[in-house]
Amino acid sequence: NAGVTQTPKFRVLKTGQSMTLLCAQDMNHEYMYWYRQDPGMGLRLIHYSVGEGTTAKGEVPDGYNVSRLKKQNFLLGLESAAPSQTSVYFCASSRVGYEQYFGPGTRLTVT
Amino acid sequence: DAKTTQPPSMDCAEGRAANLPCNHSTISGNEYVYWYRQIHSQGPQYIIHGLKNNETNEMASLIITEDRKSSTLILPHATLRDTAVYYCIVRVARNNYGQNFVFGPGTRLSVLP
Repeated sequence: NAGVTQTPKFRVLKTGQSMTLLCAQDMNHEYMYWYRQDPGMGLRLIHYSVGEGTTAKGEVPDGYNVSRLKKQNFLLGLESAAPSQTSVYFCASSRVGYEQYFGPGTRLTVT
Repeated sequence: DAKTTQPPSMDCAEGRAANLPCNHSTISGNEYVYWYRQIHSQGPQYIIHGLKNNETNEMASLIITEDRKSSTLILPHATLRDTAVYYCIVRVARNNYGQNFVFGPGTRLSVLP
């Protein structure tokens, strides 16, 4: 039981490049979330999903897109990366309304 | 969801109990108190949660005041590995809208040898 895993762990992008972050969970959780954390700050919700095929915007959705084609996977896409998107990205999953379990994070730098 | 207030930082001697306070004076009757922690650069880790009764698990104890306007997370015998940022979060449990946990700045606990 790996819990929540994230791919890749680190990535450096140039401004304007695109990339996709992958989150996978093996706990059969309905809900999945993407957060970003900037230095010295708490986590901010980007997008979330309450089930396969559904997504919704969080607090800071601009510049990101998501997809949940399979229950166990939640993808976060950056279509045209900007330096302001330099951050640590965390994925989480949960059962309906229960505590969330987080992945180890992806450290993204946009130059 | 109600907002919370925590001290920005605290120190605790290794082996002693760490008592982390949290104020949530606007908490509603159906809102739970959750505690998470984040050890340097790792993903947040769930610790414990409660509604109005005190709760204990293998990691910590949660004491909620009778009026529910504040709570205290207790780590009974702090170790160096408990050095982390601790987040107190108040939210409705078991809602059906996938609402996120709002992580504020938290309390940075330093366990000193």
